[in-house]
Amino acid sequence: DADVTQTPRNRITKTGKRIMLECSQTKGHDRMYWYRQDPGLGLRLIYYSFDVKDINKGEISDGYSVSRQAQAKFSLSLESAIPNQTALYFCATSGSENTGELFFGEGSRLTVL
Amino acid sequence: KQEVTQIPAALSVPEGENLVLNCSFTDSAIYNLQWFRQDPGKGLTSLLLIQSSQREQTSGRLNASLDKSSGRSTLYIAASQPGDSATYLCALLMTTDSWGKLQFGAGTQVVVTP
Repeated sequence: DADVTQTPRNRITKTGKRIMLECSQTKGHDRMYWYRQDPGLGLRLIYYSFDVKDINKGEISDGYSVSRQAQAKFSLSLESAIPNQTALYFCATSGSENTGELFFGEGSRLTVL
Repeated sequence: KQEVTQIPAALSVPEGENLVLNCSFTDSAIYNLQWFRQDPGKGLTSLLLIQSSQREQTSGRLNASLDKSSGRSTLYIAASQPGDSATYLCALLMTTDSWGKLQFGAGTQVVVTP
């Protein structure tokens, strides 16, 4: 089983719908992140969390919210999805050993019609 | 603002040839540099991590070098195989940024032909 698991892996939805992408990890890491990947734009950081009570906005947080339900779970929500949020979303984790190494999940492909 | 560039954007080589992938950056105040592999429709797999105080890292057929003064990192893959076909991404963590706030290059798409 993957150390960083994302659900759903694929989702097609309509404009205005609320969507939640979930991430769980078995690596025991405190730090968790949400990125999105767009062709030609690379990966960009949406939100990050260093522990259950610590949530921070990344580079492109508008239109998104997150919830850190437990050390191992970090969810990303789109309250009212719009077509330009169509992208590949990745959850990632890093440990407290301060190497800065990131470990990514398999990704969630979201299409907003 | 840090700019991370990977050239070429795409590369095709015959099996057995060595691969040389380049990553250049404009700001040398980096904490570390990480190389990833991404297969189509899949997540990113960490290949090598180089701390700013290191010059290179090796793992099997992979070797990554880091030269901060010239703003460059190179990933070498020896004796390429068709299974090495993927997109390779480099990413930097700046000393001034929070953990996990990586600056990514756009990637080099590699095809190794049998």
